[in-house]
Amino acid sequence: NAGVTQTPKFQVLKTGQSMTLQCAQDMNHEYMSWYRQDPGMGLRLIHYSVGAGITDQGEVPNGYNVSRSTTEDFPLRLLSAAPSQTSVYFCASSFRGHPGSEKLFFGSGTQLSVL
Amino acid sequence: SQQGEEDPQALSIQEGENATMNCSYKTSINNLQWYRQNSGRGLVHLILIRSNEREKHSGRLRVTLDTSKKSSSLLITASRAADTASYFCATDGREYGNKLVFGAGTILRVKS
Repeated sequence: NAGVTQTPKFQVLKTGQSMTLQCAQDMNHEYMSWYRQDPGMGLRLIHYSVGAGITDQGEVPNGYNVSRSTTEDFPLRLLSAAPSQTSVYFCASSFRGHPGSEKLFFGSGTQLSVL
Repeated sequence: SQQGEEDPQALSIQEGENATMNCSYKTSINNLQWYRQNSGRGLVHLILIRSNEREKHSGRLRVTLDTSKKSSSLLITASRAADTASYFCATDGREYGNKLVFGAGTILRVKS
């Protein structure tokens, strides 16, 4: 099993550009989520999904869109990139829809720079 | 907003010594988890402790939870150079809609 796969690993964007960060898991997990990690701030939840067709906002959703058309995939879209979105992005999944009571499996991250 | 805050922010020890990291949180929780992150990698789950548990062990890891003090500690015994990483606590509770909220982490450096 590959686990949680994120692409790309690195990306540089210009302000105003749009892009999609890809996340796929092969563990048949119901729950998938996106976090961003900034120095000294830990991980902050952007969006999450408890199943195909169901998404919800996390702590810092502005400027990001998500969709969940299949159980396996949970892409994160940056609509119009801003320098404040420079960060490391992690996708994480868990078996059921209760991440607090079960462990999260993380991808290896996408390092995004917005110039 | 951060629910958990780790202490210390950074810790440097010699190989073979024990490392203790603490996590304090603000509101009542259902569960508390600890994760490890090696440089440039994703987080890896270490241990989950429920609010009605006081202590859990996993190999060289020992986690305690004191809900009256709203705090948890992670003890790594007989540390190794490979334990060099950042360690994060994460909590869930009604205040945050049962979402998992991470602290800022403790950076541990084990010198060989």
